[in-house]
This record gives sequence, structure tokens and C-alpha cells, in this order.
Amino acid sequence: EVQLVESGGGLVQPGGSLRLSCAASGFTFSAYWMHWVRQAPGKGLVWVSRINPDGSGTNHADSVKGRFAISRDNAKNTLYLQLNTLRADDTAVYYCARDFNALPDYWGQGILVTVSS
Amino acid sequence: QSVLTQPPSASGTPGQRVTISCSGTSSNIGSHDVYWYQQLPGTAPKLLIYRDNQRPSGVPDRFSASKSGTSASLAISGLRSEDEADYYCAAWDDSLSFFGGGTKLTVL
Repeated sequence: EVQLVESGGGLVQPGGSLRLSCAASGFTFSAYWMHWVRQAPGKGLVWVSRINPDGSGTNHADSVKGRFAISRDNAKNTLYLQLNTLRADDTAVYYCARDFNALPDYWGQGILVTVSS
Repeated sequence: QSVLTQPPSASGTPGQRVTISCSGTSSNIGSHDVYWYQQLPGTAPKLLIYRDNQRPSGVPDRFSASKSGTSASLAISGLRSEDEADYYCAAWDDSLSFFGGGTKLTVL
């Protein structure tokens, strides 16, 4: 059974940093592209980032480019999202998701990041 | 403003057939596969449709989808109360992924 479990969320001040983790199990993690998608409270889904299987290639949405960085550790079956220079409009539930031919199939339960002073 | 445009709401009565549209451009829907997701209240999204019209195993055949040019649509037949959820289309555009703004389906 595919499982994705996010952690590392919480309350952070504007301008601060946070690193999200996503522990994967139930599939060969090192063979899959992976995504991060976020959802602000009461709003829709917004794609954030994706990374290729060996970690050598990444893409980021324009809204987070230069502030967020996606990475992975295939030895630990773990996906990461480094969030820097956080703003109030980064407040959202962040989902990690496995790729299925360019877009996600399986999703984690999500982790809340709140940016507030 | 999302790159993919969906109506914010849709509704139907039990047993009815409802459709949800997703409008894009030649650089996204017109060139790439469309995916559809269902998000029940308080839960993570679930993949409903991939590659324009393919259902993952376990998704009932009441759910179907199609694409024509730069538009796509999701159809739900035999509407049930448990279908009340938010529905999102998604597609690639210029090496990035985009979701539609979402459609809230209400079962009356």
C-alpha cells in the first residue's frame, strides 16, 4: 500500500524558514518523480514543485521560485521541501504526492504551515 | 486566476447526470493530458481520471471524462450524495503543472 506521510509543519513568522518532510513507503520511491502541492485555507489546489527520480532535475511554480527548494533522499525514502522567506500567503496545507505520468496519483494527508507574527 | 478555468459550483439531484467543464489553451489542455481529482471535505485529493479519460482501478464507471481541443469535461452519472465534493482538473503547461480553480459539487 502506497503511503505518504508529511511532517515538519507549524507556525512560523514572516520571513522565517521551515523544512517539510514526506516519508514514503509501499512503492519504489527512487523510481518516481514526486510533487508538492499546496492548498490555502478555503481555497483550491496549487501545484508547487516537482523533482525527478534521482534528484537532479526540479521545477517550481513562479510564485515560489527562488524561495522554496524541493529535494529528496532516496536512501531514506524521503521527500523534502525547504521553505524560505515565508510570507502570509504561503499559509496552506502542503501535500506531497507521487507522480503518475506528469501529475499526481497518490497523495499524503497534508501538513499545515501557518505564517503569522 | 488559474490557467485552467472551471465553474465555481455545480449541482444536481440524486440519480442525475452532471458535467463539470475545464477550459484551457493550446499550451495546456490542447497539448497535454488532462487529469481530474475529487476532494471530499477535510480529506486529501483523490485521482479520478488520468490521460484525459482513463479511470484508475477502483473508480466507479459513473465517472467519465472527455476532451476536445482546449476544453475538457468530467461527467458524473447516477449522482449520489457521497459525490458531494470539490473537483479539480489539472494539466501541464510549459513544463509546469497547473490545477483548475475547482468546482464545488452540491447534491441537492
